Amino acid sequence: NAGVMQNPRHLVRRRGQEARLRCSPMKGHSHVYWYRQLPEEGLKFMVYLQKENIIDESGMPKERFSAEFPKEGPSILRIQQVVRGDSAAYFCASSLQGASYEQYFGPGTRLTVT
Amino acid sequence: GQSLEQPSEVTAVEGAIVQINCTYQTSGFYGLSWYQQHDGGAPTFLSYNALDGLEETGRFSSFLSRSDSYGYLLLQELQMKDSASYFCAVLSYGGATNKLIFGTGTLLAVQP
Repeated sequence: NAGVMQNPRHLVRRRGQEARLRCSPMKGHSHVYWYRQLPEEGLKFMVYLQKENIIDESGMPKERFSAEFPKEGPSILRIQQVVRGDSAAYFCASSLQGASYEQYFGPGTRLTVT
Repeated sequence: GQSLEQPSEVTAVEGAIVQINCTYQTSGFYGLSWYQQHDGGAPTFLSYNALDGLEETGRFSSFLSRSDSYGYLLLQELQMKDSASYFCAVLSYGGATNKLIFGTGTLLAVQP
């Protein structure tokens, strides 16, 4: 009965490199959300996806960030040409119902940009 | 705009009762959720209130007053393991779909 899985748990990238963060939702869940959390802060909504569709990307920076949730495989959050300000914890969540108040979170990926 | 306010830190002793308040301003409101997060780990869902009143789940209760744009989480019989950050989150509608808007969190320290 696996929960939401994210990998890697920790990722170190130099400025200008690309970061790829993966998320496998709970079994049976087709709704995936990505959040960013800075130290001592709350979770900031980034994007909401269903299989093969981006439903809401209003929280995503317009440049360098993209997300996908293909028919097969995990959801991917991709950050191109990373900068120091991208250093944060990135959490993925999934839900059974769409746009749900009850979301199941993964352990997060800690991204450090050096 | 949308904003949620909750105290940054609360300290209490084992066995006591603590209340964590949350006030919100949103352009669209469905309900108020509460999440717990230990040491930066995976947040876990605690409760959801869509209607006014108190919802009880074991040692935890959550309250909502829609007219006051206010809610709280009540933790009873505190245990050391309750030391964590607690986030209120509004399920808000607007834009492409509904989404959860999180507060900045309240760090609860339970002392022996």
